[in-house]
Amino acid sequence: AQSVAQPEDQVNVAEGNPLTVKCTYSVSGNPYLFWYVQYPNRGLQFLLKYITGDNLVKGSYGFEAEFNKSQTSFHLKKPSALVSDSALYFCAVRSLTDSWGKLQFGAGTQVVVTP
Amino acid sequence: DTGVSQDPRHKITKRGQNVTFRCDPISEHNRLYWYRQTLGQGPEFLTYFQNEAQLEKSRLLSDRFSAERPKGSFSTLEIQRTEQGDSAMYLCASSLEVGATYEQYFGPGTRLTVT
Repeated sequence: AQSVAQPEDQVNVAEGNPLTVKCTYSVSGNPYLFWYVQYPNRGLQFLLKYITGDNLVKGSYGFEAEFNKSQTSFHLKKPSALVSDSALYFCAVRSLTDSWGKLQFGAGTQVVVTP
Repeated sequence: DTGVSQDPRHKITKRGQNVTFRCDPISEHNRLYWYRQTLGQGPEFLTYFQNEAQLEKSRLLSDRFSAERPKGSFSTLEIQRTEQGDSAMYLCASSLEVGATYEQYFGPGTRLTVT
């Protein structure tokens, strides 16, 4: 069975400071990893993915994430947070052995960026 | 590319009534997924279509739930004899698995409230 843990319910950061949202996963075999963001009363918006290759992946809106196989982690980062980054962030995993492609999501981390 | 659309955006119904939701995926996408999201949780997988074939169903999908994707285009999710526990956001996502494009694109969701 696959699972995703987002250990922080909420992350508070001042605008201009670095932002990190943590994610660890458990999956059979190699993972496909994703980050999504959700604004109030909206669907999920894709930010970035790790499939293979370079462990540091870059995505939309200045976000990046680092895949660490030994620590089974895929933390989301942004060097300088904006107030508009305040939203709910979800990490998701898919196993390469799952040909149907369903995603297993974490419970989400609320990011609050203060001016 | 107009994105994934869902209709209605909000539905309030009385317990015991039947409801039907519609999802229109991105036109060239062959995979379609339904997820359910309750407050404070990440989305949970319900079912998956490859073209018109329903290939996987979660244990969350009780006998009261049925989904279809006629002709491999739009999809409908019907809930019969609704219960208060069915209150949630129902999300539809689509994807096209070509090359390294494994990400799913989500619609805005249908928020169901059962009174």
